[in-house]
Amino acid sequence: DAMVIQNPRYQVTQFGKPVTLSCSQTLNHNVMYWYQQKSSQAPKLLFHYYDKDFNNEADTPDNFQSRRPNTSFCFLDIRSPGLGDAAMYLCATSRDEDEQFFGPGTRLTVL
Amino acid sequence: SQQGEEDPQALSIQEGENATMNCSYKTSINNLQWYRQNSGRGLVHLILIRSNEREKHSGRLRVTLDTSKKSSSLLITASRAADTASYFCATDAWGSQGNLIFGKGTKLSVKP
Repeated sequence: DAMVIQNPRYQVTQFGKPVTLSCSQTLNHNVMYWYQQKSSQAPKLLFHYYDKDFNNEADTPDNFQSRRPNTSFCFLDIRSPGLGDAAMYLCATSRDEDEQFFGPGTRLTVL
Repeated sequence: SQQGEEDPQALSIQEGENATMNCSYKTSINNLQWYRQNSGRGLVHLILIRSNEREKHSGRLRVTLDTSKKSSSLLITASRAADTASYFCATDAWGSQGNLIFGKGTKLSVKP
């Protein structure tokens, strides 16, 4: 089945220790998104790749970076995680501006 | 900034009853989408309604859109315990390249 896969599902890191979350898709969608969702809050868009073009939301902290080495994979790098970065990170994909398909998310804990 | 606001924030009903959730937004939109999220899981796309549509159905779901009032509603008929989840509306504003802005969600609890 075509899908969006996120690894790992649960990630524990230490304060200040870099961490990378990964997302892969078999849908061959050209757009990939990263959202941050804190407890009991709405998902908030961090950035997205439209094909190879990277689009950063204005209020996304510099601490967050992304890489998309090919169509299928996209990574979220958190250079120096703080306690406030503990959240669920959701990856989504779409064909142009059509409906978005979400992965199951990675829950990040920062100790 | 938050675009969509759902109302109510929480809704508790009995199995078999209908559930209605509302969403209001601020700017002109290309489309509005509803998603469901089970606790601790990813979001599942339910339905997309375009700005030139007024009503859409999918199974037990009915979505309406009133662009003059900048509001939408999601109706779940004959609810089941498995419908228990959070429901989010998300707007795709004109010129946003498909970027969605989510509301805070309605937490629906359906009691058997």
